Amino acid sequence: EIVMTQSPATLSVSPGERATLSCRASQSVSSNLAWYQQKPGQAPRLLIYGASTRATGIPARFSGSGSGTEFTLTISSLQSEDFAVYYCQQYNNWPPCTFGQGTKLEIK
Amino acid sequence: QVQLQESGPGLVKPSETLSLTCAVSGYSISSGYYWGWIRQPPGKGLEWIGSIYHSGSTYYNPSLKSRVTISVDTSKNQFSLKLSSVTAADTAVYYCARPTAMVTPFFDYWGQGTLVTVSS
Repeated sequence: EIVMTQSPATLSVSPGERATLSCRASQSVSSNLAWYQQKPGQAPRLLIYGASTRATGIPARFSGSGSGTEFTLTISSLQSEDFAVYYCQQYNNWPPCTFGQGTKLEIK
Repeated sequence: QVQLQESGPGLVKPSETLSLTCAVSGYSISSGYYWGWIRQPPGKGLEWIGSIYHSGSTYYNPSLKSRVTISVDTSKNQFSLKLSSVTAADTAVYYCARPTAMVTPFFDYWGQGTLVTVSS
């Protein structure tokens, strides 16, 4: 099973600034990587798939990059509604697909 | 608009079987996609449980495979999850979801989730 490790566990950033979240795979997942946003009491929301393709309706301030074992989610200018928990998910050679443990993005 | 709604008991006793159903509206399950179940223990991360196609073809998480059964009822446009021999570790919010593309396990339509507590 491929283990996904996200860093940092918590990231404190001020509104309007850039946030950079990292995700590392224990072995190559090619570009088969998705990112989700989850707010308290809500289901996850798909942001990115294929490592860099924005899902339908996702604002352009969200971007994904990377391939192989190292991935990054960047939020270019944080809005108040962006403070949430973010998960990465690999789906290379599934099953199983596996998720990272999450990064909590909080207001500084 | 695709909508998914989980239903089932919110409390299950240890060693018993957890049973949930996901009712789908706005899209016919028979039209395709591997429909999935994902769970999230309170305060923890996400775990993919398994996925099913309208034909009944399934993929399961190996860590749960011995206890999981996912089935589909196209006449009712719903699919179901059974998890046997539950313990407190199975306490979680259970989500059903539809993926973005037909044979992929990344999901863009989710139910609201249902909390299942395992306790005597």
